[in-house]
Amino acid sequence: GAVVSQHPSRVICKSGTSVKIECRSLDFQATTMFWYRQFPKQSLMLMATSNEGSKATYEQGVEKDKFLINHASLTLSTLTVTSAHPEDSSFYICSAVIAGGPSGELFFGEGSRLTVL
Amino acid sequence: QKEVEQDPGPLSVPEGAIVSLNCTYSNSAFQYFMWYRQYSRKGPELLMYTYSSGNKEDGRFTAQVDKSSKYISLFIRDSQPSDSATYLCAMPSSGGYNKLIFGAGTRLAVHP
Repeated sequence: GAVVSQHPSRVICKSGTSVKIECRSLDFQATTMFWYRQFPKQSLMLMATSNEGSKATYEQGVEKDKFLINHASLTLSTLTVTSAHPEDSSFYICSAVIAGGPSGELFFGEGSRLTVL
Repeated sequence: QKEVEQDPGPLSVPEGAIVSLNCTYSNSAFQYFMWYRQYSRKGPELLMYTYSSGNKEDGRFTAQVDKSSKYISLFIRDSQPSDSATYLCAMPSSGGYNKLIFGAGTRLAVHP
């Protein structure tokens, strides 16, 4: 099956620093990727839709200047948490749709756990 | 009211038991229903999907949709310790089939 890789899987940073998380589709091209946040014992909340070659679309309540998304190629999207604060500590997960593939078939990365001290 | 409600559990059952996992939803326009399995510290993986009402079976797993009650279920027969995971129901939002709304997930533990 299609594989989506996230890196890093775990990151700890100091408050005020920026952290970049990468989402790569390893064996397929993805024109669209999605970024989610998951707090403990809560559901995945969609943060933004990342489209290759264009600006990301953010969900209501998500600060686009804080969560910078770049989808520069068909296999890579990055999420940068700028000026991170402890309340940004969460599990961040990406998913990807195969370019030209069926709608609704998402492949998820393994997630990145961010801890902001 | 949340669009998708799911009891987070945890649910603990002995090996071999039949497990019933459920979600309710509020939007009657939802037509496509999915179940994802998420192991600890991993991303979700698609387990099953169903369209509209009825049952769908895949091995030990059966997905059931009752649109009149806005209620969906996932049944696991002969549960195994390897089934221990969090199970999330999901439905496409009005934003398109790829923009999913997830339930909170039910944590299942199957003990030998």
